[in-house]
Amino acid sequence: DAGVIQSPRHEVTEMGQEVTLRCKPISGHNSLFWYRQTMMRGLELLIYFNNNVPIDDSGMPEDRFSAKMPNASFSTLKIQPSEPRDSAVYFCASTLGPNYGYTFGSGTRLTVV
Amino acid sequence: AQSVTQPDIHITVSEGASLELRCNYSYGATPYLFWYVQSPGQGLQLLLKYFSGDTLVQGIKGFEAEFKRSQSSFNLRKPSVHWSDAAEYFCAVGPLGAAGNKLTFGGGTRVLVKP
Repeated sequence: DAGVIQSPRHEVTEMGQEVTLRCKPISGHNSLFWYRQTMMRGLELLIYFNNNVPIDDSGMPEDRFSAKMPNASFSTLKIQPSEPRDSAVYFCASTLGPNYGYTFGSGTRLTVV
Repeated sequence: AQSVTQPDIHITVSEGASLELRCNYSYGATPYLFWYVQSPGQGLQLLLKYFSGDTLVQGIKGFEAEFKRSQSSFNLRKPSVHWSDAAEYFCAVGPLGAAGNKLTFGGGTRVLVKP
């Protein structure tokens, strides 16, 4: 299995631009999570999906952030408009269930200038 | 609400020495417990997990962890550290049997290995 696949690995964009991060979970995993990691705040859960349905989006910072999971094999996290304070590493993770823990992708390092 | 505390932000250890990383959790019942490792520029990798049974669990890369209910702790140990163990380590807790599988992560402990 190729694991959780995220793209792009690195993204540099200008303030005000739209950014879309992509994630392909492991086939058969029914839960998907988006995390943000910064030095100041550590790992923050933004949103998670169970069977493609958003379960908890209380971690989404504000309306500029949105996430979708149109099918079991694909999810996007969109920031519009982006701001410098959104600069972080964004991780996607998936899991089969409570017994298994998460499998993380390699992350997308976002820099907003 | 569940929470996880990793009291040590940084630990420096000599290669070949033993390592112990502390993790304390707050939860009303026995939770799922996990340790993850993050190497620079990488995602988090699962080292080991505990749900029930033997309180000493073995993981990958020679790591083990011990669940102590009375202390609400799940400390990670390795008898002899290798230079490749330099990384950041995260403890995580999740509710048993809950739908949605949501984990709460600690703040992490960064391990530096001296030659």
